[in-house]
Amino acid sequence: GENVEQHPSTLSVQEGDSAVIKCTYSDSASNYFPWYKQELGKRPQLIIDIRSNVGEKKDQRIAVTLNKTAKHFSLHITETQPEDSAVYFCAATSGAGGTSYGKLTFGQGTILTVHP
Amino acid sequence: DGGITQSPKYLFRKEGQNVTLSCEQNLNHDAMYWYRQDPGQGLRLIYYSQIVNDFQKGDIAEGYSVSREKKESFPLTVTSAQKNPTAFYLCASSGVAGGYNEQFFGPGTRLTVL
Repeated sequence: GENVEQHPSTLSVQEGDSAVIKCTYSDSASNYFPWYKQELGKRPQLIIDIRSNVGEKKDQRIAVTLNKTAKHFSLHITETQPEDSAVYFCAATSGAGGTSYGKLTFGQGTILTVHP
Repeated sequence: DGGITQSPKYLFRKEGQNVTLSCEQNLNHDAMYWYRQDPGQGLRLIYYSQIVNDFQKGDIAEGYSVSREKKESFPLTVTSAQKNPTAFYLCASSGVAGGYNEQFFGPGTRLTVL
């Protein structure tokens, strides 16, 4: 099955700096890669996603890049703010197609702390 | 944040007891999922269902059971066979088949075994 590795497990930055979180996946058939943000005690919420037919996607201060050949994708947050502090999870979808929804396999999470 | 609800928010169980966690969605989604979250381990898939009256085991199904009698509901039972059930349980649903599996999460149930 799919295996997703996420690094680093913790990341501490100063406000205004950039933050980068990296993930690798094992199933070359995976075709959907979402990123979720989870604040303490709350539900994960989708912040950005990328599909296998594109290499990069941006949404204001957040961007995701995908390298299908190397089977890795990354989350980039620029001009970080204290409210960006949370746990971030990457995920990859395998087994989807036709009428199948497939399954999301999650990385282990990155605790991002943005210091004022 | 509406659309998927879970109850209760907190649940305490004595050892040897079965407990059932509720998950309801009004998004008309076909697929529903249960995850377990432990510190430092991310989200691990327990069971999922892509259609009413059908479900599949995820990566850590032992000690859990589910049913999917209605499209809107996907309850999870934590049985006494689950040796370490204390965790945060998240339900999710998805409505787009065929490859783009955006999942929407409920608020979670925190289960503690006394």
